[in-house]
Amino acid sequence: GQNIDQPTEMTATEGAIVQINCTYQTSGFNGLFWYQQHAGEAPTFLSYNVLDGLEEKGRFSSFLSRSKGYSYLLLKELQMKDSASYLCAVSRRGGYQKVTFGTGTKLQVIP
Amino acid sequence: GAGVSQTPSNKVTEKGKYVELRCDPISGHTALYWYRQSLGQGPEFLIYFQGTGAADDSGLPNDRFFAVRPEGSVSTLKIQRTERGDSAVYLCATENGQGASRTEAFFGQGTRLTVV
Repeated sequence: GQNIDQPTEMTATEGAIVQINCTYQTSGFNGLFWYQQHAGEAPTFLSYNVLDGLEEKGRFSSFLSRSKGYSYLLLKELQMKDSASYLCAVSRRGGYQKVTFGTGTKLQVIP
Repeated sequence: GAGVSQTPSNKVTEKGKYVELRCDPISGHTALYWYRQSLGQGPEFLIYFQGTGAADDSGLPNDRFFAVRPEGSVSTLKIQRTERGDSAVYLCATENGQGASRTEAFFGQGTRLTVV
C-alpha cells in the first residue's frame, strides 16, 4: 500500500521562503513528483526527483531522501501568483510507474 | 493540438443517467491516464492506457465506469447510472513514453461533473 502525507494548508508572506514537506511510505518506490495546481486549473509539473539530494530550478527547489521517505519543495522569493495547491506524488517501479498523489498543500501567499 | 483537451468542461447530469467524457491527447503521446479529483483532494488514479490497451484499470471504482481508446489517441471515459458521489473533476493526463520511464505528464483542464 501507499501513504503520502503533506500539510493541508500553509500561509507565507510575499518575498519570503516557504518549505512544503511530504512524507511517504511506498513499496517499490521509484521517484517523487511535485505539481502545482491553481484553483480550478489542471496540475502543472514542477519537478521529479529519483536520486537523493536537492534539485534547483529557479525559485523552486525540490529535495528527496529515499532512506527517510521524505521530500520537500522549497519556494523562494514568494510571489502572490504562487498561491496554489502543491501536490506531492509518488511513482512506483513496475511495468509502468503508477503515480499516486497526496491530498495537496494549499499555500496562501499574503502581502 | 497544443495541449491536452477535455470536453465538455462542465457537465451537469441527473442521477441515473449515462455520461461520456472525452480526452484529446497531445499528438504522439502514447500514454494516457484518467484521474478523478474531489474538492480538497489530490487526483485519484482511475485507468492507464498505453496505446489502445488499458494497461491498468485497477483504479476504476466499480463496473459503472469504463474507458476506451480505440485508435490509441482520443479516449472516452464512460459512466453508467451516475450517482451523486460521482461528482468530481475528471482529469486526463498524457505522456510521451512507455510509462516505464516517467518524466512529466501533461494534464488537461478537466471535466467538472455534477450529478444532481
